[in-house]
Amino acid sequence: AQSVTQLGSHVSVSEGALVLLRCNYSSSVPPYLFWYVQYPNQGLQLLLKYTTGATLVKGINGFEAEFKKSETSFHLTKPSAHMSDAAEYFCAVRGQAGTALIFGKGTTLSVSS
Amino acid sequence: EAGVAQSPRYKIIEKRQSVAFWCNPISGHATLYWYQQILGQGPKLLIQFQNNGVVDDSQLPKDRFSAERLKGVDSTLKIQPAKLEDSAVYLCASSFTEDTQYFGPGTRLTVL
Repeated sequence: AQSVTQLGSHVSVSEGALVLLRCNYSSSVPPYLFWYVQYPNQGLQLLLKYTTGATLVKGINGFEAEFKKSETSFHLTKPSAHMSDAAEYFCAVRGQAGTALIFGKGTTLSVSS
Repeated sequence: EAGVAQSPRYKIIEKRQSVAFWCNPISGHATLYWYQQILGQGPKLLIQFQNNGVVDDSQLPKDRFSAERLKGVDSTLKIQPAKLEDSAVYLCASSFTEDTQYFGPGTRLTVL
């Protein structure tokens, strides 16, 4: 069965610092992996996705993630944090039965000046 | 392009009352999803439609929750009767291809 584990429910960084949000997955089939961002009182917005092909995936707002099959990981990074990056981030894997997503519990990113 | 629309945005009810949420997906998206997001957790699938047929409703509490998508476009999710533990944000999403879902703003339900 598919599952997602996000390490760290809260991550705090200074503006300009590296952002690293960790995600490990379990999947019985080749995984489709996603990162979504959620701002307060809003729905989820897709940051990036991995389906097949290149394992380093670039997304919106300067974020990128690398699919590492050997480590079953899909960590999200951004070289330099901005105040506007403060939000909740969800890693997700596509379920086996259909195309619905299985989400991790989320990581809240705080950015201080 | 208009996004996924949901209404109402907020709803407060007493336990044992009924409530309904509405979702209008992006035009042309055949697949529609309802997710439940409890505070502090990631969204969890309740039901998935392909056009007007149900693909997956294995996690829908069918004794109290129901959903329909009669014409294969907009959808309604109903809870009757509501329990305290139903307090959550209900998210609707739609997709055209199988790898990208677009989410609406959600309906925040509070059950007192």
